[in-house]
Amino acid sequence: DTGVSQNPRHKITKRGQNVTFRCDPISEHNRLYWYRQTLGQGPEFLTYFQNEAQLEKSRLLSDRFSAERPKGSFSTLEIQRTEQGDSAMYLCASSSGLAGAIHTQYFGPGTRLTVL
Amino acid sequence: GQNIDQPTEMTATEGAIVQINCTYQTSGFNGLFWYQQHAGEAPTFLSYNVLDGLEEKGRFSSFLSRSKGYSYLLLKELQMKDSASYLCAVRVRTTDSWGKFQFGAGTQVVVTP
Repeated sequence: DTGVSQNPRHKITKRGQNVTFRCDPISEHNRLYWYRQTLGQGPEFLTYFQNEAQLEKSRLLSDRFSAERPKGSFSTLEIQRTEQGDSAMYLCASSSGLAGAIHTQYFGPGTRLTVL
Repeated sequence: GQNIDQPTEMTATEGAIVQINCTYQTSGFNGLFWYQQHAGEAPTFLSYNVLDGLEEKGRFSSFLSRSKGYSYLLLKELQMKDSASYLCAVRVRTTDSWGKFQFGAGTQVVVTP
C-alpha cells in the first residue's frame, strides 16, 4: 500500500457550484479524518470517521459540508453552493484504531480547491 | 475548547539547535504530536508524547509536561532540509470520541547557511 491518496489534486470551480472530493485511506486503517488548511495556518479539523460511523463533526462546519464513508473504506467530502471562503487545501488523514496503537495520522497529499 | 500556541517563525543556522515551544489548554488531553510540513506538501509525523518526559528520535526530541500544558520539539544538527513548518497537535478525548486532533498554526523554521 502506498499511503493515503486523494482525488482530485486540484479543483477550480465557480462560486455556487457543488464539488466532491475523494479520499482512499491506508487499507488497514479504520479511522479517517478530514481537515481544511489555509496558508499560514495549521490543519483545521472538519470531521472524523471510525469505520463507516461519523463520530464527530466540527461545529465550524456549515450544513453545506457533508462527508460519507459508506463502506468503511474510502470517503467523500462534498461542499454544496461553494463560496470564495471555501478556497483552501482539503487534507485527508487515516490512522489505525487498534487498541494499544499510537494512532498516528498519515496524511494524503490534499486537494487544493479554488473558488472563483 | 482547545487553544494551542506556538511561535510563528524561528531562524537558526545550519548545524545549530532550535527548540520550538508549544503550550496548550485543553480538556480531555490524550497525547501530543509533532508534525513537519514542507511548503506545498502534507504534514508528516515526527514524534508523540502521552506521558511526561523526553522522547528522542535521532536528531529530533520532544518533551511533554502535562501539568504545565507544555511541550517542545528540539531539532539538533540543523540541516537545510529542516526548513519547514512544524505543527504541534493535541489529541483530545470527547464524549463522542477519543481521537479528535487539534493543530496549532505551525512554526516556520528557516535554516540559514
